[in-house]
Amino acid sequence: SQTIHQWPATLVQPVGSPLSLECTVEGTSNPNLYWYRQAAGRGLQLLFYSVGIGQISSEVPQNLSASRPQDRQFILSSKKLLLSDSGFYLCAWNRQGDSPLHFGNGTRLTVT
Amino acid sequence: KQEVTQIPAALSVPEGENLVLNCSFTDSAIYNLQWFRQDPGKGLTSLLLIQSSQREQTSGRLNASLDKSSGRSTLYIAASQPGDSATYLCAVLGSARQLTFGSGTQLTVLP
Repeated sequence: SQTIHQWPATLVQPVGSPLSLECTVEGTSNPNLYWYRQAAGRGLQLLFYSVGIGQISSEVPQNLSASRPQDRQFILSSKKLLLSDSGFYLCAWNRQGDSPLHFGNGTRLTVT
Repeated sequence: KQEVTQIPAALSVPEGENLVLNCSFTDSAIYNLQWFRQDPGKGLTSLLLIQSSQREQTSGRLNASLDKSSGRSTLYIAASQPGDSATYLCAVLGSARQLTFGSGTQLTVLP
């Protein structure tokens, strides 16, 4: 069976510090991978998606970047965090664009 | 631009009731609609996916229907239990091949 791992679960970082959130998927190959952000009381916002190694599409211009160094690894980064980067970040995968989407447990990021 | 709305934002019911959660979307040109459950501080769990050619999907006590022409979907939960308490989100996969999520309905089932 397929599983998705996302870490850390919680993170508190000062403004201006770097960020690296990691997501890995097991039990499948060549998944589509996604990073979402969920703000309190709002729907999920798609940040980045990837259909293959090194292929990253950005949906929203912002202070974040994503990379896919391996087939089942997706990393969300920032060089300098802003207060507005605080939120709940979720990694997700599916086999193809119209198949069910499966999420990790999320990372609660607080920028202080 | 696709917009997805879920009403009500919060719902509280006594245990054992049958209930319906609503989801509406503005652009009927969709590929599918997916219902998720989210427990506090956790990720989303996929419950049901309805392809655009389907009218409904069932899983246990859950039944999701889709009326694409009117831009509506409902999630029916039979014989609700306290363990059903969570936030339920719907998401539509539109013509741009991107998922658009609603803001969710927070369900509380009282014992």
